[in-house]
Amino acid sequence: DAGITQSPRYKITETGRQVTLMCHQTWSHSYMFWYRQDLGHGLRLIYYSAAADITDKGEVPDGYVVSRSKTENFPLTLESATRSQTSVYFCASLESGGPYNEQFFGPGTRLTVL
Amino acid sequence: AQKITQTQPGMFVQEKEAVTLDCTYDTSDQSYGLFWYKQPSSGEMIFLIYQGSYDEQNATEGRYSLNFQKARKSANLVISASQLGDSAMYFCAMREGRDDKIIFGKGTRLHILP
Repeated sequence: DAGITQSPRYKITETGRQVTLMCHQTWSHSYMFWYRQDLGHGLRLIYYSAAADITDKGEVPDGYVVSRSKTENFPLTLESATRSQTSVYFCASLESGGPYNEQFFGPGTRLTVL
Repeated sequence: AQKITQTQPGMFVQEKEAVTLDCTYDTSDQSYGLFWYKQPSSGEMIFLIYQGSYDEQNATEGRYSLNFQKARKSANLVISASQLGDSAMYFCAMREGRDDKIIFGKGTRLHILP
């Protein structure tokens, strides 16, 4: 299916465990983003990537690691999950240049850290 | 300092009335873009409208228009003839030319009353 997908859609884990959230897009968009959404905070940017092998920190990067070895994939890893990382995580992609200025979002992953 | 400020946490509007959702932004870049997204209760992020800093005319998309006042650093979303289906969370976002990260405001929850 064309589009941007996230897996898993729901995840429950325990404090201290490593968790990886997957994001895959089929358009070969240059840019990809990870956000977390918490009540009262809107969407906060965790990390973003301008191309394969290029990543940069966003507003709240602490406790997260990303990689982008292939254009279409942008996994987000919580190396040692904490309760404060309980959130809904959104991945998004965007093509650069030209008239295209729509950021496409995945359906989100709801993560609970116990 | 907040880059995107949405001062209305919640709004109640009668059906068929026009709605203005406020958004102010802070940037020293000359090149930037402004986005509005809708998030219904189902959780998906829906792109509504985009305004580039160099666009001379205000962006319009159907019932949505963006009231762009560059000197005031304001990018308000106007929804004409509101409908019950417009009830949702609305987010304003900005992409700065210097680094291409896209930052969101905290959102405004809009309730359309029958």
